[in-house]
Amino acid sequence: DSGVTQTPKHLITATGQRVTLRCSPRSGDLSVYWYQQSLDQGLQFLIQYYNGEERAKGNILERFSAQQFPDLHSELNLSSLELGDSALYFCASSLDKGSGRTGELFFGEGSRLTVL
Amino acid sequence: AQSVAQPEDQVNVAEGNPLTVKCTYSVSGNPYLFWYVQYPNRGLQFLLKYITGDNLVKGSYGFEAEFNKSQTSFHLKKPSALVSDSALYFCAVRDKGPSGAGSYQLTFGKGTKLSVIP
Repeated sequence: DSGVTQTPKHLITATGQRVTLRCSPRSGDLSVYWYQQSLDQGLQFLIQYYNGEERAKGNILERFSAQQFPDLHSELNLSSLELGDSALYFCASSLDKGSGRTGELFFGEGSRLTVL
Repeated sequence: AQSVAQPEDQVNVAEGNPLTVKCTYSVSGNPYLFWYVQYPNRGLQFLLKYITGDNLVKGSYGFEAEFNKSQTSFHLKKPSALVSDSALYFCAVRDKGPSGAGSYQLTFGKGTKLSVIP
């Protein structure tokens, strides 16, 4: 158990809909990262938040947005969903402060999104 | 921009034989390098990392990796493969960010599927 919790584990929805994925980082970790894993694109970095602020942006579509709340949990919002958005979405956390800057990321079990 | 290449989509090895999963990287400055393993329908699990120091890094489950700066490689190795090692393996590189809190994007390779044959 990595200590990172993601909900829901599975989600099935229709094109055009909006969904929210939730992530609770490990206790004490300040950074939350979101990744998308699909068969054709591999593991793609979407966005990073550090202590409530956006710190890095990857290949995140404009239809997607994220935020990190004061209690450090994060939500990834996916809107106007398309078939191609079907993927496994991972959240990871890391301390990213002091000696923890060299640390590894700890991944949740993922949220599998299926868009029909 | 940093990048990671895993040249093999799949590696097959007989149980008990040594295994190697290859990784090369490109990054400005000194890299932080990682190996992760993903079992079916699971999240990624950390195996080992190279930050600095000894070029041979030992990690979980008997895995080790050799950092080679001149060849910009970080190959994952294990002396004797187990059937239970069959999984998807990801190499990743993390840029050495500025001092203090900052943005640390971890870039992954496309993954190598390891199949250990009984």
